Amino acid sequence: AQKITQTQPGMFVQEKEAVTLDCTYDTSDPSYGLFWYKQPSSGEMIFLIYQGSYDQQNATEGRYSLNFQKARKSANLVISASQLGDSAMYFCAMRDVKWGDDKIIFGKGTRLHILP
Amino acid sequence: DAGVTQSPTHLIKTRGQQVTLRCSPKSGHDTVSWYQQALGQGPQFIFQYYEEEERQRGNFPDRFSGHQFPNYSSELNVNALLLGDSALYLCASSHDNLYGYTFGSGTRLTVV
Repeated sequence: AQKITQTQPGMFVQEKEAVTLDCTYDTSDPSYGLFWYKQPSSGEMIFLIYQGSYDQQNATEGRYSLNFQKARKSANLVISASQLGDSAMYFCAMRDVKWGDDKIIFGKGTRLHILP
Repeated sequence: DAGVTQSPTHLIKTRGQQVTLRCSPKSGHDTVSWYQQALGQGPQFIFQYYEEEERQRGNFPDRFSGHQFPNYSSELNVNALLLGDSALYLCASSHDNLYGYTFGSGTRLTVV
């Protein structure tokens, strides 16, 4: 069965430092996508970054990068030069795509606090 | 280009009542998924609608039902509300590809 594990319930990081949010996943399907979403207190889930299971290079989007280690089933999010506005909940998520089963499942999330 | 729109934003209901939540998907998206997010937890998949039919369903009781209209908009209905149904309900839309969903801002339901 598909599963996403985020082992860090909360993190405190000094502004301008880099931060790594951990995520491991479990699936038996060869084709899948991995995502990170940010959820501020307003509730909206904001898409940050995507990594396909067949992508050879790690995904990057501005200050966000995804450290994809396929053999270890790990998809950690790295935020460089953190900002106060990065304080939010962060969710790792996975999507298997096959006929009749095309849903995204989420981990329990990590609450990130950026300290001034 | 409007994203996913959900209504209402907040709702207070009494135990035993019924509620209907609404979702308009992003333009060009034909699939709508609903999630329940309890406080401090990750979103849990309720069900997904495609071509006006429920395509797949998560581990939720039959009290949770839905509908998709020809214009791809969707409703989530919950009958016989329980206190435990209090949560943020998120709607997400997508088109048939490997990329992620676009989420709405959610409806925060409080059952008293």
